[in-house]
Amino acid sequence: DSGVTQTPKHLITATGQRVTLRCSPRSGDLSVYWYQQSLDQGLQFLIQYYNGEERAKGNILERFSAQQFPDLHSELNLSSLELGDSALYFCASSVTGAETYGYTFGSGTRLTVV
Amino acid sequence: DAKTTQPTSMDCAEGRAANLPCNHSTISGNEYVYWYRQIHSQGPQYIIHGLKNNETNEMASLIITEDRKSSTLILPHATLRDTAVYYCIVRVEGNQGGKLIFGQGTELSVKP
Repeated sequence: DSGVTQTPKHLITATGQRVTLRCSPRSGDLSVYWYQQSLDQGLQFLIQYYNGEERAKGNILERFSAQQFPDLHSELNLSSLELGDSALYFCASSVTGAETYGYTFGSGTRLTVV
Repeated sequence: DAKTTQPTSMDCAEGRAANLPCNHSTISGNEYVYWYRQIHSQGPQYIIHGLKNNETNEMASLIITEDRKSSTLILPHATLRDTAVYYCIVRVEGNQGGKLIFGQGTELSVKP
Protein backbone atom coordinates (compact mmCIF):
# COMPACT_ATOMS: atom_id res chain seq x y z
CA ASP A 1 0.00 0.00 0.00
CA SER A 2 1.60 3.26 -1.19
CA GLY A 3 -0.55 5.47 1.02
CA VAL A 4 -2.29 7.08 -1.96
CA THR A 5 -5.86 5.78 -2.27
CA GLN A 6 -7.79 5.86 -5.50
CA THR A 7 -11.41 4.89 -5.92
CA PRO A 8 -12.99 3.19 -7.67
CA LYS A 9 -10.46 0.67 -8.99
CA HIS A 10 -12.54 -0.15 -12.02
CA LEU A 11 -15.26 1.80 -13.78
CA ILE A 12 -17.29 0.87 -16.84
CA THR A 13 -19.58 3.48 -18.33
CA ALA A 14 -21.20 4.44 -21.60
CA THR A 15 -20.23 7.12 -24.06
CA GLY A 16 -21.64 10.53 -23.22
CA GLN A 17 -21.71 9.87 -19.50
CA ARG A 18 -19.89 11.67 -16.69
CA VAL A 19 -17.75 10.05 -13.99
CA THR A 20 -15.80 11.19 -10.95
CA LEU A 21 -12.53 9.64 -9.87
CA ARG A 22 -11.35 10.18 -6.33
CA CYS A 23 -7.88 10.37 -4.83
CA SER A 24 -6.76 10.62 -1.22
CA PRO A 25 -3.11 11.66 -0.97
CA ARG A 26 -0.55 10.19 1.39
CA SER A 27 -0.77 11.66 4.87
CA GLY A 28 1.17 14.92 5.03
CA ASP A 29 1.35 15.44 1.27
CA LEU A 30 -0.07 18.73 0.05
CA SER A 31 0.24 18.25 -3.68
CA VAL A 32 -1.80 15.98 -5.93
CA TYR A 33 -1.14 15.10 -9.56
CA TRP A 34 -3.35 13.36 -12.09
CA TYR A 35 -2.02 11.26 -14.97
CA GLN A 36 -3.71 9.41 -17.79
CA GLN A 37 -2.20 6.26 -19.31
CA SER A 38 -3.66 4.81 -22.45
CA LEU A 39 -2.13 2.07 -24.55
CA ASP A 40 -0.93 4.35 -27.32
CA GLN A 41 -0.05 7.49 -25.34
CA GLY A 42 1.97 6.38 -22.36
CA LEU A 43 1.80 8.33 -19.12
CA GLN A 44 0.39 11.80 -19.74
CA PHE A 45 0.40 14.52 -17.11
CA LEU A 46 -3.04 16.11 -16.73
CA ILE A 47 -3.04 18.54 -13.82
CA GLN A 48 -1.49 19.35 -10.44
CA TYR A 49 -3.03 20.85 -7.33
CA TYR A 50 -1.19 22.17 -4.32
CA ASN A 51 -3.06 22.84 -1.08
CA GLY A 52 -6.32 23.41 -2.87
CA GLU A 53 -5.03 25.53 -5.74
CA GLU A 54 -4.24 24.56 -9.30
CA ARG A 55 -0.46 24.62 -9.77
CA ALA A 56 0.21 23.20 -13.23
CA LYS A 57 -1.77 22.01 -16.18
CA GLY A 58 -0.86 19.52 -18.87
CA ASN A 59 -2.80 18.37 -21.91
CA ILE A 60 -6.06 18.11 -20.06
CA LEU A 61 -9.18 18.18 -22.21
CA GLU A 62 -11.84 20.82 -21.60
CA ARG A 63 -14.27 17.97 -20.86
CA PHE A 64 -12.10 17.09 -17.87
CA SER A 65 -11.85 19.07 -14.66
CA ALA A 66 -10.38 18.55 -11.25
CA GLN A 67 -10.35 20.06 -7.81
CA GLN A 68 -8.66 19.58 -4.47
CA PHE A 69 -10.74 19.93 -1.34
CA PRO A 70 -9.81 21.40 2.08
CA ASP A 71 -9.12 17.91 3.41
CA LEU A 72 -6.65 17.59 0.48
CA HIS A 73 -8.43 14.80 -1.34
CA SER A 74 -8.89 15.40 -5.04
CA GLU A 75 -11.47 14.52 -7.63
CA LEU A 76 -11.08 14.25 -11.39
CA ASN A 77 -14.31 14.77 -13.29
CA LEU A 78 -14.62 13.40 -16.81
CA SER A 79 -17.67 14.35 -18.83
CA SER A 80 -19.13 13.64 -22.28
CA LEU A 81 -17.06 10.50 -22.27
CA GLU A 82 -15.74 9.09 -25.51
CA LEU A 83 -14.33 5.67 -26.34
CA GLY A 84 -10.86 7.21 -26.47
CA ASP A 85 -11.07 8.22 -22.82
CA SER A 86 -10.70 4.58 -21.84
CA ALA A 87 -7.45 4.47 -19.89
CA LEU A 88 -5.78 4.03 -16.55
CA TYR A 89 -5.96 7.19 -14.46
CA PHE A 90 -3.30 7.59 -11.81
CA CYS A 91 -3.12 9.98 -8.95
CA ALA A 92 0.16 10.83 -7.26
CA SER A 93 1.04 12.96 -4.28
CA SER A 94 4.10 14.69 -2.91
CA VAL A 95 4.87 16.82 0.10
CA THR A 96 5.37 20.27 -1.39
CA GLY A 97 4.77 19.89 -5.09
CA ALA A 98 8.22 21.24 -5.83
CA GLU A 99 10.27 18.12 -5.47
CA THR A 100 10.66 15.55 -8.22
CA TYR A 101 11.83 12.61 -6.14
CA GLY A 102 9.46 10.76 -3.93
CA TYR A 103 6.25 11.12 -5.87
CA THR A 104 3.93 8.44 -4.52
CA PHE A 105 1.47 6.98 -6.99
CA GLY A 106 -1.78 5.25 -6.30
CA SER A 107 -2.80 1.99 -7.92
CA GLY A 108 -5.00 3.73 -10.45
CA THR A 109 -8.57 3.68 -11.71
CA ARG A 110 -9.19 1.70 -14.87
CA LEU A 111 -11.89 3.45 -16.88
CA THR A 112 -13.59 1.62 -19.71
CA VAL A 113 -15.98 3.56 -21.92
CA VAL A 114 -18.30 1.38 -24.00
CA ASP B 1 13.66 19.89 -18.99
CA ALA B 2 16.40 18.14 -20.89
CA LYS B 3 15.48 15.39 -23.31
CA THR B 4 16.47 11.80 -22.49
CA THR B 5 17.09 8.82 -24.74
CA GLN B 6 16.69 5.24 -23.54
CA PRO B 7 16.72 1.89 -25.34
CA THR B 8 13.23 0.60 -25.97
CA SER B 9 13.82 -2.77 -24.39
CA MET B 10 16.44 -4.89 -22.63
CA ASP B 11 16.72 -8.41 -21.30
CA CYS B 12 18.56 -9.52 -18.18
CA ALA B 13 19.14 -12.93 -16.61
CA GLU B 14 17.78 -13.43 -13.14
CA GLY B 15 20.45 -12.89 -10.48
CA ARG B 16 22.65 -10.84 -12.79
CA ALA B 17 23.11 -7.09 -12.71
CA ALA B 18 20.80 -5.07 -14.92
CA ASN B 19 22.43 -1.96 -16.36
CA LEU B 20 19.97 0.50 -17.87
CA PRO B 21 21.54 3.39 -19.83
CA CYS B 22 20.15 6.86 -20.34
CA ASN B 23 21.53 9.63 -22.55
CA HIS B 24 20.88 13.25 -21.61
CA SER B 25 23.44 15.20 -23.60
CA THR B 26 21.68 18.57 -23.17
CA ILE B 27 21.45 18.39 -19.39
CA SER B 28 22.00 21.69 -17.55
CA GLY B 29 24.14 22.16 -14.48
CA ASN B 30 21.20 22.36 -12.11
CA GLU B 31 19.20 19.47 -13.54
CA TYR B 32 18.94 16.21 -11.64
CA VAL B 33 18.59 12.73 -13.07
CA TYR B 34 15.64 10.72 -11.73
CA TRP B 35 14.61 7.13 -12.23
CA TYR B 36 11.13 5.72 -11.81
CA ARG B 37 9.76 2.34 -12.78
CA GLN B 38 6.32 1.00 -13.57
CA ILE B 39 5.49 -2.63 -13.06
CA HIS B 40 2.70 -3.74 -15.35
CA SER B 41 -0.40 -1.54 -14.85
CA GLN B 42 0.71 -0.41 -11.40
CA GLY B 43 1.48 3.17 -10.48
CA PRO B 44 5.05 4.30 -11.17
CA GLN B 45 7.51 3.92 -8.31
CA TYR B 46 10.39 6.26 -7.46
CA ILE B 47 13.77 4.51 -7.49
CA ILE B 48 16.63 6.98 -7.13
CA HIS B 49 17.93 10.39 -8.18
CA GLY B 50 21.23 12.25 -8.37
CA LEU B 51 22.96 15.40 -9.54
CA LYS B 52 26.57 14.51 -10.28
CA ASN B 53 27.78 12.07 -7.66
CA ASN B 54 27.02 8.39 -7.86
CA GLU B 55 24.15 7.39 -5.62
CA THR B 56 23.09 4.11 -4.03
CA ASN B 57 20.06 3.08 -2.06
CA GLU B 58 18.38 -0.17 -1.13
CA MET B 59 16.88 -0.54 -4.58
CA ALA B 60 19.59 0.50 -7.02
CA SER B 61 22.72 2.44 -7.86
CA LEU B 62 22.93 5.45 -10.15
CA ILE B 63 26.15 6.12 -12.02
CA ILE B 64 26.43 9.54 -13.69
CA THR B 65 29.32 10.21 -16.07
CA GLU B 66 31.70 13.03 -15.26
CA ASP B 67 30.35 15.20 -18.09
CA ARG B 68 26.81 14.33 -16.91
CA LYS B 69 25.70 13.59 -20.45
CA SER B 70 24.69 10.04 -19.63
CA SER B 71 23.87 7.84 -16.69
CA THR B 72 23.28 4.19 -15.84
CA LEU B 73 20.81 2.69 -13.42
CA ILE B 74 22.12 -0.53 -11.93
CA LEU B 75 19.95 -3.20 -10.33
CA PRO B 76 22.68 -5.33 -8.73
CA HIS B 77 20.87 -8.66 -8.58
CA ALA B 78 17.83 -8.55 -10.82
CA THR B 79 14.83 -10.68 -9.90
CA LEU B 80 11.73 -11.57 -11.89
CA ARG B 81 9.89 -8.89 -9.90
CA ASP B 82 12.16 -6.25 -11.44
CA THR B 83 10.50 -6.78 -14.82
CA ALA B 84 9.06 -3.34 -15.53
CA VAL B 85 9.32 -0.20 -17.64
CA TYR B 86 12.10 2.07 -16.35
CA TYR B 87 11.90 5.81 -16.91
CA CYS B 88 14.84 8.21 -16.85
CA ILE B 89 13.79 11.82 -16.27
CA VAL B 90 15.88 14.98 -16.14
CA ARG B 91 14.65 18.18 -14.55
CA VAL B 92 15.45 20.91 -12.08
CA GLU B 93 14.78 19.96 -8.48
CA GLY B 94 12.39 22.30 -6.75
CA ASN B 95 10.92 23.31 -10.07
CA GLN B 96 7.57 24.66 -9.02
CA GLY B 97 4.77 23.16 -10.98
CA GLY B 98 5.16 19.40 -10.82
CA LYS B 99 4.81 18.18 -14.37
CA LEU B 100 6.90 15.07 -13.99
CA ILE B 101 7.06 14.12 -17.67
CA PHE B 102 7.48 10.47 -18.56
CA GLY B 103 9.00 9.37 -21.86
CA GLN B 104 8.68 5.91 -23.37
CA GLY B 105 11.19 4.33 -21.00
CA THR B 106 13.04 1.02 -21.24
CA GLU B 107 11.08 -2.20 -20.92
CA LEU B 108 13.29 -4.52 -18.86
CA SER B 109 12.53 -8.23 -19.00
CA VAL B 110 14.23 -10.34 -16.36
CA LYS B 111 14.34 -13.94 -17.49
CA PRO B 112 14.90 -17.10 -15.41
